[in-house]
Amino acid sequence: SAVISQKPSRDICQRGTSLTIQCQVDSQVTMMFWYRQQPGQSLTLIATANQGSEATYESGFVIDKFPISRPNLTFSTLTVSNMSPEDSSIYLCSVDVTENTEAFFGQGTRLTVV
Amino acid sequence: DAKTTQPTSMDCAEGRAANLPCNHSTISGNEYVYWYRQIHSQGPQYIIHGLKNNETNEMASLIITEDRKSSTLILPHATLRDTAVYYCIVRVANRDDKIIFGKGTRLHILP
Repeated sequence: SAVISQKPSRDICQRGTSLTIQCQVDSQVTMMFWYRQQPGQSLTLIATANQGSEATYESGFVIDKFPISRPNLTFSTLTVSNMSPEDSSIYLCSVDVTENTEAFFGQGTRLTVV
Repeated sequence: DAKTTQPTSMDCAEGRAANLPCNHSTISGNEYVYWYRQIHSQGPQYIIHGLKNNETNEMASLIITEDRKSSTLILPHATLRDTAVYYCIVRVANRDDKIIFGKGTRLHILP
């Protein structure tokens, strides 16, 4: 299994500002995945982060709005830039670990933009 | 897009078996069926997965039809703590394959 720590767990931010969310895993993983969950909705994949290369973004998500860093095999950050109230969501990171095929998820970061 | 369809919501009496259906008529030969659940304010939790044979673990059983176009997740003795949104997902059993979530089934366990 994998233990995933996300920080912050929640935040309230002013519109126009940016927030960086951290995801730390207790084991080395190849891919890390970032999701957004808008209120009352399912999870939507934002991007896939591979160590040593640029993240791959899903349709509707762009690097300027959601820049991602992946400096090593246990850590990644997602930044939500120039926030608006529509960015109010839960943001989650996810990983697959070497010896399993099921994915593990962090507890999420609950973001409110005012 | 998600390759599965599930009922939007279901109710089940506490102590009874909860049977959650999922249709995945376009599943490919190398894709597995995975089930996750999300309890309120938590990240999704893995439950079980299978390819073509029925599977059972300490949490649930997974029944996959012979043509693999549908499956059923069975929680044998539902408790109030099983109230959650349940997601049925098809994906290749490759640790680098992304997970695409559908809308899931909101399961209410009734006391």
